[in-house]
Amino acid sequence: QVQLQQWGAGLLKPSETLSLTCSVYGGSFSGYSWTWIRQPPGKGLEWIGEISHRGSPNYNPSLKSRVTISKDMSKNQFSLKLSSVTAADTALYYCARGGSPAYWFDSWGQGTLVTVSS
Amino acid sequence: QSALTQPASVSGSPGQSITISCTGTSSDVGGYNYVSWYQQHPGKAPKLMIYEVSRRPSGLSFRFSGSKSGNTASLTIAGLQAEDEADYYCSSYRSSSTPLLFGGGTKLTVL
Repeated sequence: QVQLQQWGAGLLKPSETLSLTCSVYGGSFSGYSWTWIRQPPGKGLEWIGEISHRGSPNYNPSLKSRVTISKDMSKNQFSLKLSSVTAADTALYYCARGGSPAYWFDSWGQGTLVTVSS
Repeated sequence: QSALTQPASVSGSPGQSITISCTGTSSDVGGYNYVSWYQQHPGKAPKLMIYEVSRRPSGLSFRFSGSKSGNTASLTIAGLQAEDEADYYCSSYRSSSTPLLFGGGTKLTVL
């Protein structure tokens, strides 16, 4: 049973860079899409982007200029960086394992609440 | 991009069946059999309940089922139980620069 464990800073100031990492335990990195999804407090889910084990990253156009998703297959980890954060980026951030091309997500990290405040 | 359209809330009594709809367009829900449904309890990560319109992950209760007609997908929960009370989100692959869209979420209340 694959498990995802994520970590990163939870409190940022405006203009700083959000940085989160997700480790994958008990499963192969190959054959899946490794994805970041966020959920503003009390709101719905938003797809941030993904990276597959052999493909290029793919980002939500609304965030593309600020987002970088990378992977380290030697450590079974993938990471999210979001630059120039504002209060609008305050959200619960999840990493997830996705199926391709169907975009289902069967394993999720525990979530990291990132708050942007001056 | 606009989210898929879900009712804000639905409710039902224990033992009853309820259906949650998820309406999109021919570019997403109607065009592909790549609709998924997620259950989210407060303070928890979403849990995959249905994928590819009607397929259930291994071990999931048969009380949960999915279907699609045209541009609208549906999640049906039979024999409602107290633990089914949660938020439910649909998602769909779409043919655009943003390949995945979520619904706005539906709060299910078990009366």
